[in-house]
Amino acid sequence: SQQGEEDPQALSIQEGENATMNCSYKTSINNLQWYRQNSGRGLVHLILIRSNEREKHSGRLRVTLDTSKKSSSLLITASRAADTASYFCATMTTDSWGKLQFGAGTQVVVTP
Amino acid sequence: NAGVTQTPKFQVLKTGQSMTLQCAQDMNHNSMYWYRQDPGMGLRLIYYSASEGTTDKGEVPNGYNVSRLNKREFSLRLESAAPSQTSVYFCAISGGLAGSTDTQYFGPGTRLTVL
Repeated sequence: SQQGEEDPQALSIQEGENATMNCSYKTSINNLQWYRQNSGRGLVHLILIRSNEREKHSGRLRVTLDTSKKSSSLLITASRAADTASYFCATMTTDSWGKLQFGAGTQVVVTP
Repeated sequence: NAGVTQTPKFQVLKTGQSMTLQCAQDMNHNSMYWYRQDPGMGLRLIYYSASEGTTDKGEVPNGYNVSRLNKREFSLRLESAAPSQTSVYFCAISGGLAGSTDTQYFGPGTRLTVL
């Protein structure tokens, strides 16, 4: 079974709007990471948030982590057509150091 | 995908054939990973190598073998391919020592179809 579950499965927005996607997980984590995958390509790391952190920012990206609810959210502000991609959360649990468990991803389409 | 190369990019096999997927890195990272990605699913870990000379099973190791040839190279072998192994295979690396919590860098993937 998958550790991380993203919601929604798909998201369609217009350029300039914000995109929010959520990730829920089941067991205690050391850190949670978000990756982007453009169609047919490998994954690209976006941001890592550790279990003792609550919020991190990187450019137009904002990630929150609520360990009490076992959930995280990724916000992309002022979306661009180039943000069209699939976004995956991946967790590194406390008993599997070095190994990531991925969710099924959120497909984001940003239309001009 | 900087620093991680995979060959081949595409491959079509018949059931029962064997093949080896190659992964090489030039980032001098210690850990290397093989994942598979099926439609509508996230990546699932097949095998990983925390450091040169060591390999361990991941979530879905059945039907696969791996070799960590040296620090740079990590190969994945299918001894007798099955249609259920049709997937996109990704190699990834991370910089730290065994047990590291580093981020991972991914190769471009190999699309494998087993008929």
